[in-house]
Amino acid sequence: GAVVSQHPSRVICKSGTSVKIECRSLDFQATTMFWYRQFPKQSLMLMATSNEGSKATYEQGVEKDKFLINHASLTLSTLTVTSAHPEDSSFYICSARGTGEWKEQYFGPGTRLTVT
Amino acid sequence: GQNIDQPTEMTATEGAIVQINCTYQTSGFNGLFWYQQHAGEAPTFLSYNVLDGLEEKGRFSSFLSRSKGYSYLLLKELQMKDSASYLCAVKDSNYQLIWGAGTKLIIKP
Repeated sequence: GAVVSQHPSRVICKSGTSVKIECRSLDFQATTMFWYRQFPKQSLMLMATSNEGSKATYEQGVEKDKFLINHASLTLSTLTVTSAHPEDSSFYICSARGTGEWKEQYFGPGTRLTVT
Repeated sequence: GQNIDQPTEMTATEGAIVQINCTYQTSGFNGLFWYQQHAGEAPTFLSYNVLDGLEEKGRFSSFLSRSKGYSYLLLKELQMKDSASYLCAVKDSNYQLIWGAGTKLIIKP
């Protein structure tokens, strides 16, 4: 069964509004969570890496004030897209990594964001 | 820089065998992964290689040669449901996953 969940699976919002996406590890404690973005017919692009209790590390070119990441607990990370614009429309995927038997990355099902 | 190359698209026939190649140049190596991704869905894990050689898992096998910076994913007895993108990813010296662009596999009846 799924070990990482994301909510919502799909969201449509108006330009200028903010959207929050949740990522939860269901069967293990995720010491590290990753947020990816994938545009149509393109590969995954890592946006940021977050370790529980510390600030996220953003990849070059990703605006940290626009894409707010919170990893407040070992089972939950959130990505908030602030002041969304149509060009932010994309497929957002989180993955989580733990320790021991959970040391590999497990992907969530993804969230399809459409900004109108 | 870090680079992972794999073909953009491949076509194969149902019931046949297909090999998807991946070459990589990364700063360090801590394992190579293959993922399958159907359109509109998140990637799902297929295989992991960290030592040279062949790893077999049912209809899918993955091979690694660290000295050549090369891997392939072999899919046997192809089924229509195998139509998907196949992503090669390498874990570098910082344990970060470096992703290839993916190979879109089209299966024809």
